[in-house]
Amino acid sequence: DVKVTQSSRYLVKRTGEKVFLECVQDMDHENMFWYRQDPGLGLRLIYFSYDVKMKEKGDIPEGYSVSREKKERFSLILESASTNQTSMYLCASSLARENTIYFGEGSWLTVV
Amino acid sequence: QKEVEQNSGPLSVPEGAIASLNCTYSDRGSQSFFWYRQYSGKSPELIMSIYSNGDKEDGRFTAQLNKASQYVSLLIRDSQPSDSATYLCAVKSWGAGNMLTFGGGTRLMVKP
Repeated sequence: DVKVTQSSRYLVKRTGEKVFLECVQDMDHENMFWYRQDPGLGLRLIYFSYDVKMKEKGDIPEGYSVSREKKERFSLILESASTNQTSMYLCASSLARENTIYFGEGSWLTVV
Repeated sequence: QKEVEQNSGPLSVPEGAIASLNCTYSDRGSQSFFWYRQYSGKSPELIMSIYSNGDKEDGRFTAQLNKASQYVSLLIRDSQPSDSATYLCAVKSWGAGNMLTFGGGTRLMVKP
């Protein structure tokens, strides 16, 4: 089974803090994604990576950056957390030529 | 801006009935269509994909696609309380790689 692991499930951070969300997949997938999910808005793509050190902006990249130094790991960084970044963050991965995307369990971030 | 629209619900059906979930999309270049199920507090899981006009059946689930009307639906026959979840419609456009655009989701409640 494909496993996408988000190490931090629940976090509470203060406004202005730097926040790291880590994601690891164990199936040698080329593509990795970070989404955020808010009630009524569905999943919105923040960033996408199709290879090591490669990244593409999604629909809502403002306030976020990403890092992919190794194929299996994709990190989402909030340089200076703000209250409007309180949300659930979902990491996902897929093979380059396949349609199936596998999601992690999600990270619930509260910024106070 | 590519859009995927779903009625947020909740859609309430009695056990054993057919649940009909609908989704419209704005990008005529969309090629692949997916239905994800998401239980409360959990990550989305893929239940159906459809790529060509018509119906596709998998057990109690039937996906229907009408590209001319830009409409995709999911029918769940013999609905069970365990089907109670939020159903997310996702669309992939030509040239978008593996990037999906998600609708806001429809919450389904199946009452015993």
